[in-house]
Amino acid sequence: EIVLTQSPGTLSLSPGERATLSCRASQSVSSSYLAWYQQKPGQAPRLLIYGASSRATGVPDRFSGSGSGTDFTLTISRLEPEDFAVYYCQQYGSSPMYTFGQGTKLEIK
Amino acid sequence: QVQLQESGPGLVKPSETLSLTCTVSGYSISSGFYWGWIRQPPGKGLEWIGNIYHSGDTYYNPSLKSRLTISVDTSKNQFSLKLISVTAADTAVYYCARGDKNWGSIDYWGQGTLVTVSS
Repeated sequence: EIVLTQSPGTLSLSPGERATLSCRASQSVSSSYLAWYQQKPGQAPRLLIYGASSRATGVPDRFSGSGSGTDFTLTISRLEPEDFAVYYCQQYGSSPMYTFGQGTKLEIK
Repeated sequence: QVQLQESGPGLVKPSETLSLTCTVSGYSISSGFYWGWIRQPPGKGLEWIGNIYHSGDTYYNPSLKSRLTISVDTSKNQFSLKLISVTAADTAVYYCARGDKNWGSIDYWGQGTLVTVSS
């Protein structure tokens, strides 16, 4: 089973700042199969990035994804108030089909 | 616009069976994609439960496989989850969702339904 470890657990930043979130895999992950989600309180997760670097429909271009192998990054170039949420990475592969990281909480400083 | 909606009891007694149904609108399950379930215990992270393909092929999380059945009813455009012998550890928000086979991402989610296991 591939384990995804996200860091930091909590990130405290101010609107307008740049956020860098990390997702590290215990084994190599195909870049095609790495996704990022945003979850706000009381809501379902929302797909932000698929294929490690492709933005989902309607996602603002301040969100970008990068990485390959075992190290992946989600970057938010200039934080907007609505970006403060929990972010999860997810990989698709063999059993289990999907695994998620434990999440990074992005909070207002 | 693809929409998914979970339905089922919000309270289940320990040792009994948790049953949920997801009704899909705006897309035919028969046309493709994975259809599955993900859960989130209160205050915790996401756990994949299992998927079913439109053909009926199923894929289960090994940690739940012995207690789990996912089925599909294409005539009603619904798929369902049954989890037997539940305990308090199964208390969670249960989401139904659509999975993209090409990219391995989950592009549409239901709003989620809280299921509490308690006597």
